Amino acid sequence: EAQVTQNPRYLITVTGKKLTVTCSQNMNHEYMSWYRQDPGLGLRQIYYSMNVEVTDKGDVPEGYKVSRKEKRNFPLILESPSPNQTSLYFCASSFYTPGANVLTFGAGSRLTVL
Amino acid sequence: RKEVEQDPGPFNVPEGATVAFNCTYSNSASQSFFWYRQDCRKEPKLLMSVYSSGNEDGRFTAQLNRASQYISLLIRDSKLSDSATYLCVVNARPGYGNKLVFGAGTILRVKS
Repeated sequence: EAQVTQNPRYLITVTGKKLTVTCSQNMNHEYMSWYRQDPGLGLRQIYYSMNVEVTDKGDVPEGYKVSRKEKRNFPLILESPSPNQTSLYFCASSFYTPGANVLTFGAGSRLTVL
Repeated sequence: RKEVEQDPGPFNVPEGATVAFNCTYSNSASQSFFWYRQDCRKEPKLLMSVYSSGNEDGRFTAQLNRASQYISLLIRDSKLSDSATYLCVVNARPGYGNKLVFGAGTILRVKS
């Protein structure tokens, strides 16, 4: 089944404890992206990647890192999480650029930072 | 002004009603438009793309008005299962890797 898989789905952590949210897709998509969703603000892009070893900042990159060493994986790293990073996170992928192609989303990762 | 704006609702409608949502966008150079549907706490899924000539998929009709810079979604004969948040999505920054910008969503509640 074609899908985007995120883990963990739910996580409660404490301020400053590094964590990684993994994202993997099995559709051979070039484009991958991370979003966070907060009430009233919609989905905001954190980072995106056009292909392996090519990443770029989205609208809200502060406090996050990403890497794209393999085409299928695009982990999101929070080096020192803070409470304002409590949010619902989605990974998404598509062929080429998303303006012309449909995004497929993972099921989401709900993160709480205490 | 926000790049993509939607009325947050909620729109509370009875089963069988017709309901319409609008979404405005600020960049007149935007080229691609979509409606996504998001169920509570789940991932967004593509409902339909929006083409210049307008397009229809069963009970759903999407239209684009470039002159006034808005897109619309019309749902006819609403079903209980249509209850969800509808996200307007626009490539509001063409040339920046065609990055998509999401509206905050419009909540639809269909009641029996």
